[in-house]
Amino acid sequence: GAVVSQHPSWVICKSGTSVKIECRSLDFQATTMFWYRQFPKQSLMLMATSNEGSKATYEQGVEKDKFLINHASLTLSTLTVTSAHPEDSSFYICSAREVGGTGSSAVETQYFGPGTRLLVL
Amino acid sequence: AQSVTQPDIHITVSEGASLELRCNYSYGATPYLFWYVQSPGQGLQLLLKYFSGDTLVQGIKGFEAEFKRSQSSFNLRKPSVHWSDAAEYFCAVVGGGSYIPTFGRGTSLIVHP
Repeated sequence: GAVVSQHPSWVICKSGTSVKIECRSLDFQATTMFWYRQFPKQSLMLMATSNEGSKATYEQGVEKDKFLINHASLTLSTLTVTSAHPEDSSFYICSAREVGGTGSSAVETQYFGPGTRLLVL
Repeated sequence: AQSVTQPDIHITVSEGASLELRCNYSYGATPYLFWYVQSPGQGLQLLLKYFSGDTLVQGIKGFEAEFKRSQSSFNLRKPSVHWSDAAEYFCAVVGGGSYIPTFGRGTSLIVHP
């Protein structure tokens, strides 16, 4: 299957600093990527949809000025947590949408990165 | 809007026993259905998916799932569980013209030796 990487896999930072997380689709092009947040023992919470060459679409309640998303190419999306605070500590997961086939035969699948654990002190 | 229900928060099985994880969805037409597995501290790995055709789909690691339209279910099965299967399992559905999946809350699988 398709491979999605994330970097870094974990990061510890001081409160008030900014942290950038990269998400890359390694063997396919992804016009759409997604950013999720996951709290312990819970399911994934969609934060935003990242579209190549355009602005991201944020879910309700997600601060777009705090969680900056850039999708500069078909294989790279970045999430920057600005002025991070301890409550931003979480597990952040990205996914990339792969579409195979065309027309009525088109099928799509999301492939997930390994996640980035952020700890803000 | 679509929704997904995974009624079991935890499932405990003995190694070598069979496994069935339940997933029910709510959607008017035939959705796209997925099962993902997440090991601790890791991302999600796709086990299998259903789009159309044969309602019994085979996935990786010996897993299979059966789409039952009449029951709005897509249960995941494995005939013999291995200790390495202990993980969190998520069912997801895509439908309604949206390509954004809706995830169930997950089922934690515990495997006893």
